Amino acid sequence: DAKTTQPPSMDCAEGRAANLPCNHSTISGNEYVYWYRQIHSQGPQYIIHGLKNNETNEMASLIITEDRKSSTLILPHATLRDTAVYYCILNAGGTSYGKLTFGQGTILTVHP
Amino acid sequence: DTAVSQTPKYLVTQMGNDKSIKCEQNLGHDTMYWYKQDSKKFLKIMFSYNNKELIINETVPNRFSPKSPDKAHLNLHINSLELGDSAVYFCASSLAQSQETQYFGPGTRLLVL
Repeated sequence: DAKTTQPPSMDCAEGRAANLPCNHSTISGNEYVYWYRQIHSQGPQYIIHGLKNNETNEMASLIITEDRKSSTLILPHATLRDTAVYYCILNAGGTSYGKLTFGQGTILTVHP
Repeated sequence: DTAVSQTPKYLVTQMGNDKSIKCEQNLGHDTMYWYKQDSKKFLKIMFSYNNKELIINETVPNRFSPKSPDKAHLNLHINSLELGDSAVYFCASSLAQSQETQYFGPGTRLLVL
């Protein structure tokens, strides 16, 4: 029942920027866009989140369109260790009590 | 200094047995969760506790019973294990119960024979 749509897989060359798209056309005004990743069956790892404005941290940048119907996660200089499944998730808080609904995600493969 | 830890890491057992998985977080968080990841790699929430109180209880068989002795611990007890219970179970925690970053444990790989 994920409310986001992501491409099933993407490739990226090591050292290049990886741009992972996510569509969330039915996003509500109080829903944040969260990105997590899961490396080889480890526990999911938080990457970044945002509501309206673009965000940047030490791991990645998040670009959210003005109408908030889509977003892009950018890994500026992908390394082999960034190979993982990337999940784009909407989190409303409130009555959802922090429940994260994971979709299929995007399998990102970084190659030498 | 692991933030969210789970024991055991691997669990192999026979059908019909009862088993428990333990989770502990040392982050001082108020909310803890259990997620299940099946063979198709879908991650689904099972339970959520906030300050030892059950908040989320998804459609999970009654054979699964979470127990939170204190804010730092959320254990998962499974009765009468079935083949379909084979999965990876992840524990997570967050500072509060809404719109907070969740920190996941390393997972417990359960195999029911």
